[in-house]
Amino acid sequence: GAVVSQHPSWVICKSGTSVKIECRSLDFQATTMFWYRQFPKQSLMLMATSNEGSKATYEQGVEKDKFLINHASLTLSTLTVTSAHPEDSSFYICSAVNPRGRNSYEQYFGPGTRLTVT
Amino acid sequence: RKEVEQDPGPFNVPEGATVAFNCTYSNSASQSFFWYRQDCRKEPKLLMSVYSSGNEDGRFTAQLNRASQYISLLIRDSKLSDSATYLCVVILNTGGFKTIFGAGTRLFVKA
Repeated sequence: GAVVSQHPSWVICKSGTSVKIECRSLDFQATTMFWYRQFPKQSLMLMATSNEGSKATYEQGVEKDKFLINHASLTLSTLTVTSAHPEDSSFYICSAVNPRGRNSYEQYFGPGTRLTVT
Repeated sequence: RKEVEQDPGPFNVPEGATVAFNCTYSNSASQSFFWYRQDCRKEPKLLMSVYSSGNEDGRFTAQLNRASQYISLLIRDSKLSDSATYLCVVILNTGGFKTIFGAGTRLFVKA
């Protein structure tokens, strides 16, 4: 199946610093990637849709200036959490759509990045 | 009302049991449907797509009922390794492609 990687897998940072998370599709080109956040015992919440070569589309309530998304190539999208605060501590997961997959809406998820802001 | 609703469980079943999960969705513009499984502190993994005609993959059977707006997942002959959270996922196509996750149903299979 399609493989998506994320880096780093976990990060601890101090309040006020910025953290960049990378999401890569390893064996296919993904024109669309998604960024999700998941708090303990809750479902995944879509933060934004990342489109290669254009601006990301953010969900309501997600600050675009705080969560910067860049999708510079067909295999890489990055999420930068700027001026992180403890309430940003969460599990961030990206996913990518394989346009050549059996079902054009199937998403393949990265392993996630656990962010802890102290 | 949530766009995608699932019984959170947990479902506690013995090995070998058959267990069924249901999921309801509220938006008639929903276009595609999936079941994912998520293990604790891991990412979701695609289990199967769901079609109106029903589809089966080994011990797993998924069914879609568009008229009643629900999807189901049946697991036969449960294994210990089936213990996980099962996520119902609905894709909306309202001019754009939007993914809605259910909150998940927790399954524990015990020996």
